[in-house]
This record gives sequence, C-alpha cells and structure tokens, in this order.
Amino acid sequence: GAVVSQHPSWVICKSGTSVKIECRSLDFQATTMFWYRQFPKQSLMLMATSNEGSKATYEQGVEKDKFLINHASLTLSTLTVTSAHPEDSSFYICSAEPRLAGVADTQYFGPGTRLTVL
Amino acid sequence: SQQGEEDPQALSIQEGENATMNCSYKTSINNLQWYRQNSGRGLVHLILIRSNEREKHSGRLRVTLDTSKKSSSLLITASRAADTASYFCATDRGGGADGLTFGKGTHLIIQP
Repeated sequence: GAVVSQHPSWVICKSGTSVKIECRSLDFQATTMFWYRQFPKQSLMLMATSNEGSKATYEQGVEKDKFLINHASLTLSTLTVTSAHPEDSSFYICSAEPRLAGVADTQYFGPGTRLTVL
Repeated sequence: SQQGEEDPQALSIQEGENATMNCSYKTSINNLQWYRQNSGRGLVHLILIRSNEREKHSGRLRVTLDTSKKSSSLLITASRAADTASYFCATDRGGGADGLTFGKGTHLIIQP
C-alpha cells in the first residue's frame, strides 16, 4: 500500500517551454502533497506544499509564478515548470501524506521526474 | 536553516561489516525519518522514530534518537552489497502536515 506515482519519469524540453509533472497517490487520499527538487549529488530541498482545494505554500526563494502547483483532487497534484531554462534541470520528487494521519507522519515518495532543459 | 546534517558524507566498508551514519538537526521535531535513495531514483522510507522514542529496530536497521543532543544514528548490521545507496535523515518542522527538511546524506558503498 501507500504508492505514489509520478509522470513522466523523465522529460527533455527546449528552453522557454513549459513542462507539467503529475504526482498521484494510487491507493490513498492525500490532503497534502509536497514537491521537492534535488540537484545532482545534493540533497532534497522542499519547494512547496500542495494543499487540496487551496493555494500552494512556497518555500522561501521558490518563485510561485514559475513553479505552478495545482492540487485539484485528493489523489493528484501537478507541478508546471513555466518557461523552463537550463538551470531548472533537476530531479523533481513529490511526496504525499495519507489523509488520516493525525500528526506529521510518514510521507510516501514518488519515483521522481528527471527534467533536462536544453 | 539547514537541518539534518549527516556524517560521514561518504562511507565505504566491506560486506558483512556494520555501517553507522549520524545525523544532527537544529530545531525541535515531532519525528525523524531515515530514507534510502539508490542512484538517480526515488526515496525508500526506512524507519520513523518519534521524538518520545529513544531507539527503534527494523530488521537489520537500528535507529537511535537523542533529543537533548539533537542527533540520531542509523546502524545497518551485516551489510550487503545491495545496501549501497545514499542515506538521508529527514525531520519535520514540529507542526501538522509539514514538508521535510533533509540532510545532505551519507553515500554508503559496500565492497563485496
């Protein structure tokens, strides 16, 4: 149980285009999902918290107009990288916390999406 | 601020030996989690230890938590080649549904 999927697993795009990444919780509902970014040989950095039915909360230094987050249902959150540039090339990973968790608990991570911007 | 600083940053041991990784953090937490990541892939949850727990076991894994020192350790006993991966500790920020703060990680290499 507690499986999180991401699509696509990898994407290559030209500079200036927009890319949408989907994060789905397959067997549980998640009121809250999280988006992380990981540069090569570095750790994961939290980008934003995605809340179902409300606006996402972005971490300091993350441009909300560049990284659009939509959490339209209890099982799907999307991250759109708008006008992507080579410096946006990274590994994007989402996680989801089961809806019934009373306190901060285990987050289940997706397999990640590798974005390469040419 | 950076939390979850692991040490060592890299560790190479022989198969069958035990591997110990340490993690320190800076602020109060509800829980601390350890994750494994194989090269270029997603994270696998290993173990969660709550702030009121001192030690937890799961198979060959043993995690300790010392909230007075704001530190945790992960011990992998009888290491196997398949344990080669990066290991990260992650802390919550002490309230509700919250994103995790990850340490820099320890890259563990198990030599056959």
